[in-house]
Amino acid sequence: NAGVTQTPKFRILKIGQSMTLQCTQDMNHNYMYWYRQDPGMGLKLIYYSVGAGITDKGEVPNGYNVSRSTTEDFPLRLELAAPSQTSVYFCASSYARENSPLHFGNGTRLTVT
Amino acid sequence: GENVEQHPSTLSVQEGDSAVIKCTYSDSASNYFPWYKQELGKRPQLIIDIRSNVGEKKDQRIAVTLNKTAKHFSLHITETQPEDSAVYFCAVPYGNKLVFGAGTILRVKS
Repeated sequence: NAGVTQTPKFRILKIGQSMTLQCTQDMNHNYMYWYRQDPGMGLKLIYYSVGAGITDKGEVPNGYNVSRSTTEDFPLRLELAAPSQTSVYFCASSYARENSPLHFGNGTRLTVT
Repeated sequence: GENVEQHPSTLSVQEGDSAVIKCTYSDSASNYFPWYKQELGKRPQLIIDIRSNVGEKKDQRIAVTLNKTAKHFSLHITETQPEDSAVYFCAVPYGNKLVFGAGTILRVKS
């Protein structure tokens, strides 16, 4: 199993540009999450999904969109990138909400200038 | 609210000493409490977790204790080693979300 795979690893965007961060998992997990981690800070939940076709907002959803058309994929879309979106983005998945560890991808380091 | 408070924010210990990190939450319905370790530049990884039907769980030098009445749980690391230096996060489920504490930077001095 590859686990949770995120692409790209690094990206530099200009203000106002858009991009999609890709996330795919091969563990047949129902739950998938997007977190952002600002330098020296904790993990903030952006969006999450409990299964294909179902998504919901987390703590910091503004400026982002997600979709979950398949169990495996959970892309995160940034529209009109802003410097405040400079961060490391982690995708994670788990089998169940509880009693089930989160498996994290290696992260995408995004810089908006 | 979906509150998770973690203390201390930084902790420096001498190699061989013990370290304790505490996490407090607000939802009495929460019943799963994991701890994650994040080394510099790496992804967070689960190191231990506990369910609400037990008060303590151990795995070698790491243990987690839970006080459901007081709504807090703690990570205990004994005989600390330099490789224990990292950021540690607690997490608490609120509905379908897993909310993380702000993290504790642990430095083990040799």
